[in-house]
Amino acid sequence: QIVLTQSPSASASLGASVTLTCTLSSDHRGYTIAWHQQQREKGPQFLMKINGDGSHKKGDGIPDRFSGSSSGAERYLTIAGLQSEDEGEYFCQTWGTGMVFGGGTRLTVL
Amino acid sequence: VQPVESGGVVVQPGRSLKLPCSVSGVTFGDSAVSWVRQAPGKGLEWIAFRRSDAYGGITEYAAAVRGRFFILREDSKNIAYLQMDSLKEEDTGIYFCVVAPDYDVITATWGQGSLVTVLS
Repeated sequence: QIVLTQSPSASASLGASVTLTCTLSSDHRGYTIAWHQQQREKGPQFLMKINGDGSHKKGDGIPDRFSGSSSGAERYLTIAGLQSEDEGEYFCQTWGTGMVFGGGTRLTVL
Repeated sequence: VQPVESGGVVVQPGRSLKLPCSVSGVTFGDSAVSWVRQAPGKGLEWIAFRRSDAYGGITEYAAAVRGRFFILREDSKNIAYLQMDSLKEEDTGIYFCVVAPDYDVITATWGQGSLVTVLS
C-alpha cells in the first residue's frame, strides 16, 4: 500500500521561499508524484509532476517561481518569492490502484 | 483554476444522481477520467477511474463506492458522468472530475467541483 506523508502545516513570509515535502512509503520511493494546489474555496490545480530522478514538468501557466526536486523517497515543492495568492492547501499525489493522496499541507503566507 | 460550485444539490439517502464532467481544452477520446471527492473540511479522496476505449476502458473504483458509482463516457460529446446510485449520507462532499492523457495519467486537469449533500 502506497502512503504519502506530508506535514500538516507550513508558513513563510511574503516574498520568502518555502519548501514543502512529500515522503513516499519506502517500497515506493521511486514513484513519480504530482503536486496540486487548492486555494481557498476553489478546486485543485495541477502544478507539476516530479520523477524519482528529480526531473519535473510543470503544468501550463504555472509560474517559474514554482519548482520541484527529489531525493530518495522525498519529493519537494519549492515556491520562491511567496505571494499572498500562494496561500492554500498543497497535496501530493501518485498512482497505485487509483489516485493516492497525501494528507495535504496548509501553507500560510505571513 | 475552477471555482467550486456554490449551493450544489441536496438529495435523499437511497436516491441517485448523475454528475457531468466537462473540462475545456481536453479531448476525452484519448483521456482517462477520474473522480475525486472532498468531504467537508477534509482532504482529497479518489473514488473512480476509467480509461479511454483505446486503452481498454479499464475501470477501478474505491471500495467505498464500488457497486454504487459508475463512470459513464460520451467521448463524441467530450463529456463524462459519474452515476451515483444508492447514495448515503457519508457521500456528502464536493466532487471533482479529473482528466488526464491515458499515456500520462499523473498529469491531471481538474474540472469544476460539484457540491453534493445527502440528507434525509
